[in-house]
Amino acid sequence: DSGVTQTPKHLITATGQRVTLRCSPRSGDLSVYWYQQSLDQGLQFLIQYYNGEERAKGNILERFSAQQFPDLHSELNLSSLELGDSALYFCASSYQETQYFGPGTRLLVL
Amino acid sequence: GEDVEQSLFLSVREGDSSVINCTYTDSSSTYLYWYKQEPGAGLQLLTYIFSNMDMKQDQRLTVLLNKKDKHLSLRIADTQTGDSAIYFCAAHTGFQKLVFGTGTRLLVSP
Repeated sequence: DSGVTQTPKHLITATGQRVTLRCSPRSGDLSVYWYQQSLDQGLQFLIQYYNGEERAKGNILERFSAQQFPDLHSELNLSSLELGDSALYFCASSYQETQYFGPGTRLLVL
Repeated sequence: GEDVEQSLFLSVREGDSSVINCTYTDSSSTYLYWYKQEPGAGLQLLTYIFSNMDMKQDQRLTVLLNKKDKHLSLRIADTQTGDSAIYFCAAHTGFQKLVFGTGTRLLVSP
């Protein structure tokens, strides 16, 4: 158990809908990262927050947004969902460089 | 940007040693990681090596780093069936994100 929690574990929704994925980092970690794992793209970095501020951005679509709250938990919002957004979404947290990953949220868009 | 490559598949017999290889392109990567992913599970941090080290040993795991060739390897001694999983190599870039390889699927047969 990495200490990073993610909810929900599974999510099934329809195209055009909006969903929110939630992540709680390890105690003491200020950085939260979001990654997407899909069969065709592999593991891709989406975005990083550090102590509530956006720190780095990767291949995140404009339809996707994230935030980190004062209690350091983070949410990833995915809107206008398309079939191709079906993937495993991971959250990771770190105190310094080493990132610890949560169990992921499996999103299926029908 | 950073690019990380791995072979896709490795098959070994139980009790043998497994060696999983990885190459990366960005010589300024500071930390290099190995993560393990079992079916339906998240990413488990196995070990990591700092770029000024050549070797790191942690129980059955040995990491070798050749900075000149930008080559990283993970050796698993006395491989067990429970080691069957996908192993990801990842490089830490200056922008805080991890760049992952495609993953090597290790199959251990009894």
